[in-house]
Amino acid sequence: ELKVEQNPLFLSMQEGKNYTIYCNYSTTSDRLYWYRQDPGKSLESLFVLLSNGAVKQEGRLMASLDTKARLSTLHITAAVHDLSATYFCAVGDTNAGKSTFGDGTTLTVKP
Amino acid sequence: DTGVSQDPRHKITKRGQNVTFRCDPISEHNRLYWYRQTLGQGPEFLTYFQNEAQLEKSRLLSDRFSAERPKGSFSTLEIQRTEQGDSAMYLCASSASTVTQYFGPGTRLTVL
Repeated sequence: ELKVEQNPLFLSMQEGKNYTIYCNYSTTSDRLYWYRQDPGKSLESLFVLLSNGAVKQEGRLMASLDTKARLSTLHITAAVHDLSATYFCAVGDTNAGKSTFGDGTTLTVKP
Repeated sequence: DTGVSQDPRHKITKRGQNVTFRCDPISEHNRLYWYRQTLGQGPEFLTYFQNEAQLEKSRLLSDRFSAERPKGSFSTLEIQRTEQGDSAMYLCASSASTVTQYFGPGTRLTVL
């Protein structure tokens, strides 16, 4: 059974600081997703990573994938308050397309 | 708005009652997924359709749960004899491939 672990589960950081969220998964997959969720809202797709070594960046967020280590990272650069949200990684099933999610990292950016 | 829509957005029901939720996927998306999310957890996969065929069901989907997608367009998720443990956000997603899923706003169910 595929397991997806994120850490940390809670992250409080000051504006302007950098930090990295880690996502480990237990079985081979060729697709890794990052989503953002605001309180009471649905999921917003941030990144889709489809190959080993893939790196994608959007604004202050950068995601990478190491399929050999079964590890993805979401790096936050110079955090701002608007980035406060819960971030989920999810591992895709190649055949079915369903995703297995981690428990999320709740990020709070303080001034 | 051409995104995934779900109805209702909120549902409060009493234990033992039946409820039905509807999901309208993005037009021409042939894959449709249902997930359940409880507070503080990531979404959990429930079931998946390709066109009208239900191809996979999670063991989380007990006999009280049934999902349909009769014409390969909208889908319904029914929960019979609701229990307090069914309280959750029910999310629907659709995709045109196995790569990117687009999530709807969700239906929040509260069972009293």
